[in-house]
Amino acid sequence: GESVGLHLPTLSVQEGDNSIINCAYSNSASDYFIWYKQESGKGPQFIIDIRSNMDKRQGQRVTVLLNKTVKHLSLQIAATQPGDSAVYFCAENMVAAGNKLTFGGGTRVLVKP
Amino acid sequence: EPEVTQTPSHQVTQMGQEVILRCVPISNHLYFYWYRQILGQKVEFLVSFYNNEISEKSEIFDDQFSVERPDGSNFTLKIRSTKLEDSAMYFCASNSGGSRQYFGPGTRLTVT
Repeated sequence: GESVGLHLPTLSVQEGDNSIINCAYSNSASDYFIWYKQESGKGPQFIIDIRSNMDKRQGQRVTVLLNKTVKHLSLQIAATQPGDSAVYFCAENMVAAGNKLTFGGGTRVLVKP
Repeated sequence: EPEVTQTPSHQVTQMGQEVILRCVPISNHLYFYWYRQILGQKVEFLVSFYNNEISEKSEIFDDQFSVERPDGSNFTLKIRSTKLEDSAMYFCASNSGGSRQYFGPGTRLTVT
């Protein structure tokens, strides 16, 4: 499950700082927008989702912002910890299309101690 | 917490051979999915399955691919005649509906 590649954007962040990961999506008809985390050798793990009619949702240490005007999604991680080091994918969910997820390209987050 | 499991973790096969990738979804889930991830690329949807039939499939999921729920617990992906470009991580996922899908650890398929 490791997603490595020369072209994967990387965000380097100091432990304790906040992280912001951005994503541009394509389909305005998506029902939900979701953030997944993928650690090396593992499958994607759900972090948080936001319904298409909302613009902000908060979870534990995470906030997702949705800007439908510019088709932009962001994930903010507060007080980033070493365990947050992973690849983060945004995904779009379409219920009418078999509930499929369409994933974006991913951002690697490296947390420096 | 219940987990999706997949076997084998790594499968090596020769081009042209058939492979079956196996998944045990979370027991009370009703929707099942297969995705793949070619090394260095994003996760791609293959197929979704509900009520014993395919709900949606992608362009990747051609006649060489099939899925089956042979019993009450397993969900399988079969590739009839593997090609080199089928080499990837294959992830099974399941849920009870909604946007949150639970992914298994994946099977790494290597076609030589």
